[in-house]
Amino acid sequence: DAGVIQSPRHEVTEMGQEVTLRCKPISGHNSLFWYRQTMMRGLELLIYFNNNVPIDDSGMPEDRFSAKMPNASFSTLKIQPSEPRDSAVYFCASSIRQGARSYEQYFGPGTRLTVT
Amino acid sequence: EDQVTQSPEALRLQEGESSSLNCSYTVSGLRGLFWYRQDPGKGPEFLFTLYSAGEEKEKERLKATLTKKESFLHITAPKPEDSATYLCAVRVNSGNTPLVFGKGTRLSVIA
Repeated sequence: DAGVIQSPRHEVTEMGQEVTLRCKPISGHNSLFWYRQTMMRGLELLIYFNNNVPIDDSGMPEDRFSAKMPNASFSTLKIQPSEPRDSAVYFCASSIRQGARSYEQYFGPGTRLTVT
Repeated sequence: EDQVTQSPEALRLQEGESSSLNCSYTVSGLRGLFWYRQDPGKGPEFLFTLYSAGEEKEKERLKATLTKKESFLHITAPKPEDSATYLCAVRVNSGNTPLVFGKGTRLSVIA
């Protein structure tokens, strides 16, 4: 079991550049979540998908952020243009219904983004 | 607004010194309370899910409990390898929906 895969693990870019973060969920999982983690605000939801369809993007901070899930095994989070305040660790998580009540989310290793 | 508050922010224990971490929540409706462990530079790792007041779950030296307003993560006779940040999260909507996280408790266990 490969777990959730994210790339790149680290990204350093200059303000104004486009950044694309990638995520491969666990095979068979039908929900995918993008979270952002900072020291000040902790883990916050950006957007999530069920069966490849975006359900709630109210956590996306600005129009500079966009996310897609073209198929069940791949998702991207794009920031264009990037700003220094976007510096954070971005996590992707996936989950599937297990039994009547269990919906554990499994997290990837994260992408540490630094915008200078 | 749904809120999750964890205390203390940081905790330093001697090896073998038992203690508890607290997670208090104010939510419109609880559909599950989750505990995760996060090591530096890694993603959160799932530990437990609790659904009902009075429910308890155990794993090695960890035991999670739940009341109507808070959850505790009890650590019995901790070892240095238990050092990590422990995150509490709640699900407030039914179905496969996002979690609302607390800011975590950083635990350090000193040999």
